[in-house]
Amino acid sequence: EAGVAQSPRYKIIEKRQSVAFWCNPISGHATLYWYQQILGQGPKLLIQFQNNGVVDDSQLPKDRFSAERLKGVDSTLKIQPAKLEDSAVYLCASSLDPVLAQYFGPGTRLLVL
Amino acid sequence: SQQGEEDPQALSIQEGENATMNCSYKTSINNLQWYRQNSGRGLVHLILIRSNEREKHSGRLRVTLDTSKKSSSLLITASRAADTASYFCATPSYNAGGTSYGKLTFGQGTILTVHP
Repeated sequence: EAGVAQSPRYKIIEKRQSVAFWCNPISGHATLYWYQQILGQGPKLLIQFQNNGVVDDSQLPKDRFSAERLKGVDSTLKIQPAKLEDSAVYLCASSLDPVLAQYFGPGTRLLVL
Repeated sequence: SQQGEEDPQALSIQEGENATMNCSYKTSINNLQWYRQNSGRGLVHLILIRSNEREKHSGRLRVTLDTSKKSSSLLITASRAADTASYFCATPSYNAGGTSYGKLTFGQGTILTVHP
């Protein structure tokens, strides 16, 4: 089966600019996650969707980050405006059931200058 | 919040040797997961062990879980250069009703280097 797809793979922007990331989960996976991974650290959950509803967004900086999952399939994560500390890898993952293994995409590496 | 802490932070071994990584967590869980991350394949799920299991095997991987000590270990036997990666343990979070809803908290990871 096809894995989790993400695009773009790399993005370089200047601070205060906007950026958007796209994720297509594994077909049939109802649960979708966005994580932020800063160099040298483990992934940190930003937001979790169950179908197109938000389950957890407690660690999402809502003043600048937003995410949506229209029709319960694809998802986009947006940062506006970006700050230097947003430089990280943004990982999308999906799972068939919230308590089962999560399958991760290749990630988008963001560099904010 | 619950958090797995891996130990050691870095491990360097020769091909063929065994590698053991440990994870400690703070509050009761009903399962614990291990993931591997390398530049080639990204973050990959390795194994999930439930709280009623003491040991689980998958190929050259052996995971143990000691709920009384709130710790888990990952053993890789007969290591290969391709095992070079970062290894993370991840623990679930629970809502007010005590139900896991999928949120995982990852530790900082153990960086394993296997020299050919």
